Amino acid sequence: GDSVTQTEGQVALSEEDFLTIHCNYSASGYPALFWYVQYPGEGPQFLFRASRDKEKGSSRGFEATYDKGTTSFHLRKASVQESDSAVYYCALGERGPGYQNFYFGKGTSLTVIP
Amino acid sequence: GPKVLQIPSHQIIDMGQMVTLNCDPVSNHLYFYWYKQILGQQMEFLVNFYNGKVMEKSKLFKDQFSVERPDGSYFTLKIQPTALEDSAVYFCASSLGGGQNTLYFGAGTRLSVL
Repeated sequence: GDSVTQTEGQVALSEEDFLTIHCNYSASGYPALFWYVQYPGEGPQFLFRASRDKEKGSSRGFEATYDKGTTSFHLRKASVQESDSAVYYCALGERGPGYQNFYFGKGTSLTVIP
Repeated sequence: GPKVLQIPSHQIIDMGQMVTLNCDPVSNHLYFYWYKQILGQQMEFLVNFYNGKVMEKSKLFKDQFSVERPDGSYFTLKIQPTALEDSAVYFCASSLGGGQNTLYFGAGTRLSVL
C-alpha cells in the first residue's frame, strides 16, 4: 500500500542553520505530495504541495521538489528561525473512482535554538 | 485559508459513556476525515467519508466508533462506549475532491476519558 517515510524523528538546529527533512514515498499511482506543519496545540496546517515530477512547492521560505525517480520530496529551508520550531509532516494524496485518501509520515519535530 | 471548525475543543467524559465530536468542514468540501493523535505521538488515520458512506477505515476505527453527516450538517464522530485508550486529540479534516486536492484540518478536540 501507499506510504510515506520521514527519516528524521527529531531535528535540533541553531538559528540561521540550513534545514533538510527527508521524505520518501511509496505509491502505485502518481500521487500529489504535501508538507504540513503542526504547532503545539493546533491542527496541522497546509504548507505547500506539488503534483508532478520536478515541480517545486514552496511557502514561507520552505521548499521541496517532487522527484519521481528517487520517490522523494525533501523539505529544505536555507535559514531557520526559532519560530519554525514545530512538527513537520510529509504526506501523499491519492484518488481513485469515488475515493480520495491521504497518507502521512510519522512527523519530524524541529527545534530551533536561538 | 479554508477553515474547519471543531466543537468542543476539549471534552471530559467518564469511561463507558458516549461522546460525539462535531466537525464543521469547509462548506463546499466533499470528503471528510478523522485522525487521532495521542499526546506526543504521530497523527494516525481513522476514517474517511464521502457521499454518505465510509470509504476507508483503519484498524484504529473500532466497532465502538461511528461517523455520519446527516443532511449536510456537522460531520460527527461518535464513540459508544468510550474506553480509557480513546483519550487523545481528534482532528477532523476535509477536502474538495475531484482532483488531487488539499486536506484542511481543524484545531482538534481533546478527549479525556476518565
